[in-house]
Amino acid sequence: DAGITQSPRHKVTETGTPVTLRCHQTENHRYMYWYRQDPGHGLRLIHYSYGVKDTDKGEVSDGYSVSRSKTEDFLLTLESATSSQTSVYFCAIMQPPGASGYTFGSGTRLTVV
Amino acid sequence: KNEVEQSPQNLTAQEGEFITINCSYSVGISALHWLQQHPGGGIVSLFMLSSGKKKHGRLIATINIQEKHSSLHITASHPRDSAVYICAVNADKLIFGTGTRLQVFP
Repeated sequence: DAGITQSPRHKVTETGTPVTLRCHQTENHRYMYWYRQDPGHGLRLIHYSYGVKDTDKGEVSDGYSVSRSKTEDFLLTLESATSSQTSVYFCAIMQPPGASGYTFGSGTRLTVV
Repeated sequence: KNEVEQSPQNLTAQEGEFITINCSYSVGISALHWLQQHPGGGIVSLFMLSSGKKKHGRLIATINIQEKHSSLHITASHPRDSAVYICAVNADKLIFGTGTRLQVFP
């Protein structure tokens, strides 16, 4: 979707290194989310944000931190990447009430070796 | 037991067939979403519904709140419909099913 972009699209990193994934939206929505997608699991919520500097943990937040210093950007950081964090990461924004629900980014495929 | 269950997990069909994918949930919800994910691709929202039925082109989504069940139907299926279809419910958070992988052959 043109309103939300993720970067990078692909990344390979070594165990123990820090990694930051970026989600950028152009639609000025308050709510932004980071999910991970793994085989055999539905998408699982890592962290979410309901406004600038307002963030909260999801169900699989261990090993991840987030920051939201501007409405348009929501950053996900793996402080010290582990192989268990190899996954596809999706950012999402929640549309206003009455709209179609959620808009997802194209995903970031992260491999930790 | 997962709070959102989809069936079948995998589905193959011949072009032109009528497809049904089912979603059952065990929690109270305010809305249910159907999403589509093409191989290697992003996730696209198809429907959000809280009651009744919605139609968009060849896609139809229904929900029965009392039975906690939703179905996604595809009429006159086409190879380009091949994708993973994901059901998600708005409970106190968004809870996702594990998806149904659909392959439509010419």
